[in-house]
Amino acid sequence: AQKVTQAQTEISVVEKEDVTLDCVYETRDTTYYLFWYKQPPSGELVFLIRRNSFDEQNEISGRYSWNFQKSTSSFNFTITASQVVDSAVYFCALLLEQGGKLIFGQGTELSVKP
Amino acid sequence: ETGVTQTPRHLVMGMTNKKSLKCEQHLGHNAMYWYKQSAKKPLELMFVYNFKEQTENNSVPSRFSPECPNSSHLFLHLHTLQPEDSALYLCASSQDLLDRGRLTEAFFGQGTRLTVV
Repeated sequence: AQKVTQAQTEISVVEKEDVTLDCVYETRDTTYYLFWYKQPPSGELVFLIRRNSFDEQNEISGRYSWNFQKSTSSFNFTITASQVVDSAVYFCALLLEQGGKLIFGQGTELSVKP
Repeated sequence: ETGVTQTPRHLVMGMTNKKSLKCEQHLGHNAMYWYKQSAKKPLELMFVYNFKEQTENNSVPSRFSPECPNSSHLFLHLHTLQPEDSALYLCASSQDLLDRGRLTEAFFGQGTRLTVV
């Protein structure tokens, strides 16, 4: 079965704190893609990152970093020195073998307070 | 601004009404998608179109009827909906059909917030 689990429904932090959003996935495929999307209050999902299952290198982009560990089927997302503008719902997603299907997790609502 | 525009942004309709949601993209993408986002639930894929042809219907009730007249436009026709159909309906597009072998991602619109009363 293909499944994405984001166990943290809501997280609240104070500005400048670091925060990690967890994502655990299930798939029998050996080749797959994982994604993170951000959904600000305006509604649209904004693409953040795509990771191929063969590439376990961690990635850093500014204040964002991603830790991909196949051994634990996790693809966690860390925001360093969080800012109020980071407040949004964050979705982790898995691309299935069949074309066109992104399986999303339940989302984690991040609230960054000043 | 992702290049995917959805109208209307908000819609309130009665259970006997007929309405349509519109999605438009001018990104030159070939694949378009409808997703449903209900409160506290994961996004659910509803329909997939590739080069105007429907390639996926994810067991969606017939009261939702998609239409894709060209690669730039996607509609979702609604009739005799139920209150539980109230949700945020998101449209997305991608250059090609999302596939493990292609380096592409989906661009999402801002959604239509639908309330069925």
